Parts: sequence; structure tokens; C-alpha cells
Amino acid sequence: ETGVTQSPTHLIKTRGQQVTLRCSSQSGHNTVSWYQQALGQGPQFIFQYYREEENGRGNFPPRFSGLQFPNYSSELNVNALELDDSALYLCASSPSTASDTQYFGPGTRLTVL
Amino acid sequence: GESVGLHLPTLSVQEGDNSIINCAYSNSASDYFIWYKQESGKGPQFIIDIRSNMDKRQGQRVTVLLNKTVKHLSLQIAATQPGDSAVYFCAEEGQGSGNTGKLIFGQGTTLQVKP
Repeated sequence: ETGVTQSPTHLIKTRGQQVTLRCSSQSGHNTVSWYQQALGQGPQFIFQYYREEENGRGNFPPRFSGLQFPNYSSELNVNALELDDSALYLCASSPSTASDTQYFGPGTRLTVL
Repeated sequence: GESVGLHLPTLSVQEGDNSIINCAYSNSASDYFIWYKQESGKGPQFIIDIRSNMDKRQGQRVTVLLNKTVKHLSLQIAATQPGDSAVYFCAEEGQGSGNTGKLIFGQGTTLQVKP
């Protein structure tokens, strides 16, 4: 176990709705990264948060947004859900922002109908 | 563009044999690489990492080899066990402003261990 926890485990939403996913980082880690993993694919980087600020973003539209809190936990928010947003959303924490091992949580499975 | 690729989508080995999973990367400036194992319904699990100033690193039953000349990475698993059955991903860290800390994953290789 990595010590990274995510909630909820599974979620079903309908197109156009909004969703918030949560992540608690491993103790001592100040950096959280979010990834989207479609079925049968490798994870795709969404963004990274360090000390409550966004520190890098992948090729995702602005309706994907995030927050990091003073205790380094994080939220991923997705507005105006689309069918293609159905995926496993993974959170990873690391002790620093770069060149350091990222430890993943179990993920949240989001299904958009 | 950025890409990290694995050579084979599925690798089937006999229990007790050694497994070799290969990965090609495209960015010659990359200096940090990681191998992850992902079991069904779980998040990726860290196996081993390597930095570009090394060409080999060993862990418990695993070895990662890095060939920067041909931009090739491999994961060797000794005495493969049924519990090693999973999807294996290589990942490299992005380079350039705004990309550090961003892991770029390949498509994954499914390792099947036959008893």
C-alpha cells in the first residue's frame, strides 16, 4: 500500500453534470499529480499541484480543474461531463515536484452516461 | 511529439522463467524513467526507477536497463511468479518548462505467467 487514498471508489454521472474527486497524499509528500486512464491505455497527465498552486498541466480543457489544500490533499473537479470523460482517475503523490517517484492511489472509476 | 512505447502488447512466460519487457522512448533529453506494475482494478504500483546517469539498476528480482544511444528501456524479472501477472508500464518524465513532474506513460505490456 502506498498511503495514497482516493474517494469515491466508483461514481456514475450523466452527461453535463459536474464531479469532484478527492485524494489524500502520502505522509510527507507535498506534491500531488492527477492522471486520467482510459480503458486499455496508459495514464495521461492532467495536472500537478505543489503547495496549493498548479505546477504544470497536460492537454486537458479548462473544465478540468483542481485544488490542493494546506494538508496537501487535493481535489479534481470536472465540469460539463462528456461521455469520453469515463475513465479511471488516478492521483499520485511525491515528495517533490520533479525527478522523484510518484506513488499512486487506487483510483476513482468514473462512468458518464 | 512525446511518446513512450512498449514493443509487445502481451508477453506470455512460464512460471520460473525470466521475463523481459521492452520500452522505447522518443525524447533524448529525458533523464528519469520509472517502471510501474498495474493489476486489474488497482492503481499503478512502483517497481523500480533509473536516472539517465546510470545504465543499469537492480532491485529485488527486477533489473532495469537503460540504453540512451537507442533510447531503449527494459525491465527484467527473474524467476517470474504467478503474482507477477499484470500490465507493466514504462514512464518517462517530461522535459522543459511546465513538464517536469509530468510522467508520460507507454501503452503497457500485459505479462501472463503460465503455471
